[in-house]
Amino acid sequence: KNEVEQSPQNLTAQEGEFITINCSYSVGISALHWLQQHPGGGIVSLFMLSSGKKKHGRLIATINIQEKHSSLHITASHPRDSAVYICAVIQGAQKLVFGQGTRLTINP
Amino acid sequence: DTAVSQTPKYLVTQMGNDKSIKCEQNLGHDTMYWYKQDSKKFLKIMFSYNNKELIINETVPNRFSPKSPDKAHLNLHINSLELGDSAVYFCASSQTREKLFFGSGTQLSVL
Repeated sequence: KNEVEQSPQNLTAQEGEFITINCSYSVGISALHWLQQHPGGGIVSLFMLSSGKKKHGRLIATINIQEKHSSLHITASHPRDSAVYICAVIQGAQKLVFGQGTRLTINP
Repeated sequence: DTAVSQTPKYLVTQMGNDKSIKCEQNLGHDTMYWYKQDSKKFLKIMFSYNNKELIINETVPNRFSPKSPDKAHLNLHINSLELGDSAVYFCASSQTREKLFFGSGTQLSVL
């Protein structure tokens, strides 16, 4: 069992739908990243958070340290949001442990 | 200007060869990383350097040797390449406890 588990592994939705991707982890962490990997392969960091909630445009990330759980929400989803979303936790100062990723497809 | 640039983008080579992947960041970050993404798209950290000092070395074979000549560069040298080394290798950088910036990846194919 991975130390970082994401669900669902695959998600297909229609344009405009509200999307939630979940991340649970079993280890102590100092913070958590949400990353987006585009179909072309490039990786972009969306959020880094250690408590509470962060919002950027249509993206919202939350974390509950006590429950060892984080969620990434996308409001008013669009086909350009189609990508793999990866949760990664920071152990200690710098070690990142990755989830297996969630492949999101938004159909027009 | 690309923030984190790695070269080459594609690398095709024979088993047993030695190859290098270069990485440079122009963000002034203290920390640089190498990650490996396998065929199942699972990412795993290989190395982390902070101000040219090795901080993390994650059970990577000795054939892999990172070299950081200065804070802005972290190169990856691989000796005696094996079929199992085929993967996409990503370089990244960050200021401590801040967002990561990734290079575009190097797809290594060992034949």
